[in-house]
Amino acid sequence: QITLKESGPTLVKPTQTLTLTCTFSGFSLSTVGVGVGWIRQPPGKALEWLTLIYWDDDKRYSPSLKSRLTVTKDTSRNQVVLTMTNMDPVDTATYYCAHRKYDGRFDFWGQGTLVTVSS
Amino acid sequence: DIQMTQSPSTLSASVGDRVTITCRASQSISSWLAWYQQKPGKAPKLLIYQASSLESGVPSRFSGRGSGTEFTLTISSLQPDDFATYYCQQYNSYPDTFGQGTKLEIK
Repeated sequence: QITLKESGPTLVKPTQTLTLTCTFSGFSLSTVGVGVGWIRQPPGKALEWLTLIYWDDDKRYSPSLKSRLTVTKDTSRNQVVLTMTNMDPVDTATYYCAHRKYDGRFDFWGQGTLVTVSS
Repeated sequence: DIQMTQSPSTLSASVGDRVTITCRASQSISSWLAWYQQKPGKAPKLLIYQASSLESGVPSRFSGRGSGTEFTLTISSLQPDDFATYYCQQYNSYPDTFGQGTKLEIK
C-alpha cells in the first residue's frame, strides 16, 4: 500500500523560502523507474506541475519556476524535499506530492498541504 | 510547454447520462495522457493512463480514447459519486502539463 504525506509550514511570509517534505511508504525511491513529483493547485484553480525526482537522482523542473525550485531525496528516510525560494502571495496553493510510476502516471497522491503566503 | 485545453469547462448532466469530456494538446503527445478526478478538498485520483488504460479499481463506466492531439474521457452512465472536476495531463514531454479542468455538475 503506497502512501505519501506532505508536511511543512502552513504560512510563510513574502520573500521567505518554503521547505516542504514528502514522506512516503510502500515503495522505495531506489527502485528503477520510480519517481516522486510535486504538483500545486491555487485555490479554485487548476493543477500545476512543479518538479520531479527519479530513483537515479534525475531531476526535472518547470521552466517557469526552475530558478526558484530545488528537489532532493533521502532514500534511507523515504523522503523527498521541495524548496521554493522568494515566496509570493501568488504561490498560495495546496501542494501535493505524488508517486510517479515507471510508465509516467501519477498513481498515488498525498493529501496535500495548503500553504498561504502572506505578511 | 505543451498546452492542454479541455472542453467544456463546465458540464451539467443527470444521473444515468452518458457524458464525454474532450482534451486537446497543442502538439502530438502520442498516447501519453492521463485523466484524473478531483473532489473538493481532496487529492486528484487517477482514472485513466496512457490515454485508454483503466487504472486498477476504477469502475468500467469510465473510458478513455484518443492519440496524437485529441482525447476523450467518457462516463457511460453517470453515478452520483461522479460529480467532480476532471483534469487531463500530458506526460509526453517535460514539463508535464494539465488541462484547466472540467467541472461536472448535477443538472
